[in-house]
Amino acid sequence: GAVVSQHPSWVICKSGTSVKIECRSLDFQATTMFWYRQFPKQSLMLMATSNEGSKATYEQGVEKDKFLINHASLTLSTLTVTSAHPEDSSFYICSARGGSHEQYFGPGTRLTVT
Amino acid sequence: AQSVTQLDSQVPVFEEAPVELRCNYSSSVSVYLFWYVQYPNQGLQLLLKYLSGSTLVKGINGFEAEFNKSQTSFHLRKPSVHISDTAEYFCAVSDFYNFNKFYFGSGTKLNVKP
Repeated sequence: GAVVSQHPSWVICKSGTSVKIECRSLDFQATTMFWYRQFPKQSLMLMATSNEGSKATYEQGVEKDKFLINHASLTLSTLTVTSAHPEDSSFYICSARGGSHEQYFGPGTRLTVT
Repeated sequence: AQSVTQLDSQVPVFEEAPVELRCNYSSSVSVYLFWYVQYPNQGLQLLLKYLSGSTLVKGINGFEAEFNKSQTSFHLRKPSVHISDTAEYFCAVSDFYNFNKFYFGSGTKLNVKP
């Protein structure tokens, strides 16, 4: 089946630093990738949609300068949290879509900003 | 815009008992419906999906769901649960015109007791 990986699975960083999270589709080409944020015991909130080779589309209320998304190839998208603050601590999940309506989700990355 | 309501935040059930997790949606256009399961500190795994055709959809791990257009519901059922089914379950909807965008319900925590 379609597999999506994320790296790292867990990261701790200091306030003010930047963190990059990678999302890879391992066995299929993802025309579109998505980044979600999940707060404890809550649902997933779509942050942005990215298509390979073009700029990401951000959801309302998501700071595009803070959450930089790059979709460099059909198998890799990255999310960079710039100048991270404790309130950015969360569980970040990516998903990827190939040719079907289904989204395949990565295992998530837990970011803790101290 | 679409919305998804999962009325039950938690559902306790004894092992080998049947269970139903409720999901209702609102949309003015044709929808695609999904159920995902999330185990602690992991991403989402697709249980089943409804795109078109038969309204009774069978998924993995013995789960099934029925699409009821008149009641705008997509309830998830399993005739006999196992301890290993303890997890968070999310219902999601996308639509024909914007199938990239998934709207997730708030989730239902299924707690299977021995």
